[in-house]
Amino acid sequence: DAGVIQSPRHEVTEMGQEVTLRCKPISGHDYLFWYRQTMMRGLELLIYFNNNVPIDDSGMPEDRFSAKMPNASFSTLKIQPSEPRDSAVYFCASSQQTSGVNEQFFGPGTRLTVL
Amino acid sequence: AQSVTQLGSHVSVSEGALVLLRCNYSSSVPPYLFWYVQYPNQGLQLLLKYTSAATLVKGINGFEAEFKKSETSFHLTKPSAHMSDAAEYFCAVSPSNDYKLSFGAGTTVTVRA
Repeated sequence: DAGVIQSPRHEVTEMGQEVTLRCKPISGHDYLFWYRQTMMRGLELLIYFNNNVPIDDSGMPEDRFSAKMPNASFSTLKIQPSEPRDSAVYFCASSQQTSGVNEQFFGPGTRLTVL
Repeated sequence: AQSVTQLGSHVSVSEGALVLLRCNYSSSVPPYLFWYVQYPNQGLQLLLKYTSAATLVKGINGFEAEFKKSETSFHLTKPSAHMSDAAEYFCAVSPSNDYKLSFGAGTTVTVRA
C-alpha cells in the first residue's frame, strides 16, 4: 500500500494568494482528517470526514479555510486568501473503522510558507 | 472532554539507557490511548495503542506503555535507547464513542552516543 499521499510536499506563496493542498487517503479507509502543526500550537485537528461527508469542522480557524472531499480517494484543503500566520505543516490522515478504534495513518505533510 | 499532558518537552538519554516518556490523561469515559512517533520531516506513525484490553501494551521498535487508571497515566518506555529513536513522540487520547484524537504537546527525544 502506498500510504497516505499528500501534494505538494512544500509550498511557498505570497500573502493573499490562494493555496490548495491535496490528499489521497489509503484505499478502503472511510475517515479522513486534516491537521495543522506549528511550534506554537502543536498539532491541531482542523476537520474530519466520514464517507466523504464533513463531520466536524470546528477546528477550521476561519472562513478563509475550506475543505472538500468529492470522492473517497481525494480531498483538498484550500486557504483563500493566505496569510503569513497560516505558515505551518499540514497533515492529512486516514483511518478505517475497525472495532471502533481510531487508528490514524498520516501522510508526510505539506510544509506551507506564506511570505 | 479528553486531553493529555506530556511531562517534559525534551528528553535526552544515552544510547543503551532507559527511555521514559510521561503522559497523563484526563477523560470522563474510559479512554483509548495512543503513542505516535514523528521522525524529522515525516508524518506521525503509530507506536502503540491501548483499547481497554491488557494494561501493558507492546508496540513497535521495542516500545511499550502501561495504562494505570489509578494514576491516569500512560507512560511510554523502552529499556535500551538506540540512536534511531531520536524523534518527537506524541501521546493522544480518544473517547471510545468518537474518532477525534486529542494530542499532547509532544516530547522530543535526543540520544547521546
